[in-house]
Amino acid sequence: ETGVTQTPRHLVMGMTNKKSLKCEQHLGHNAMYWYKQSAKKPLELMFVYNFKEQTENNSVPSRFSPECPNSSHLFLHLHTLQPEDSALYLCASSPRIPGQGNTEAFFGQGTRLTVV
Amino acid sequence: AQSVTQLDSQVPVFEEAPVELRCNYSSSVSVYLFWYVQYPNQGLQLLLKYLSGSTLVKGINGFEAEFNKSQTSFHLRKPSVHISDTAEYFCALHGSSNTGKLIFGQGTTLQVKP
Repeated sequence: ETGVTQTPRHLVMGMTNKKSLKCEQHLGHNAMYWYKQSAKKPLELMFVYNFKEQTENNSVPSRFSPECPNSSHLFLHLHTLQPEDSALYLCASSPRIPGQGNTEAFFGQGTRLTVV
Repeated sequence: AQSVTQLDSQVPVFEEAPVELRCNYSSSVSVYLFWYVQYPNQGLQLLLKYLSGSTLVKGINGFEAEFNKSQTSFHLRKPSVHISDTAEYFCALHGSSNTGKLIFGQGTTLQVKP
């Protein structure tokens, strides 16, 4: 148990569906991240939020829409996905101290997404 | 630009044998280095980290790693592996001047055989 909880653990959705992934942390961290992990590929950083503000969008298609209502919660809204979007989506959080390159990221267990 | 290269995609080893998983990095600024482990259908768990100080870092489950600045390496070692160590291992860094974003290597699959 890392303190980062993702729901659901598994999700199957059609290409016309709209669904959301949820991530929650109560570690007092200020930075939260979405990563995509596809088979045979390195982890891809998708979005970074720092103090609820998006600080990085790594050229992610608009069919993925993140939302960070507060420092403890992060969502990934999905719509009109493609089969190639099937992957393990990992959420992470880390302390963020300005001026100090902190440090360790804590990961959730991921949501296994299958687009049919 | 910063990057991480894990030199082996798969490492097969027999139980109770020693193992080394290799990681090299590239960065123009000072870095923080990490090794994570991922068991099947799980998230990533931190094994160990190098922030500063002693270049030999000890982590959980009997793993250790050595930071070598001149060779820009951070290899992971364990003197005697168990079947339960079978997993995917990721080396990662972030630079001291960036937002804390982790940059990952491609991963190394450790396969421990009986």
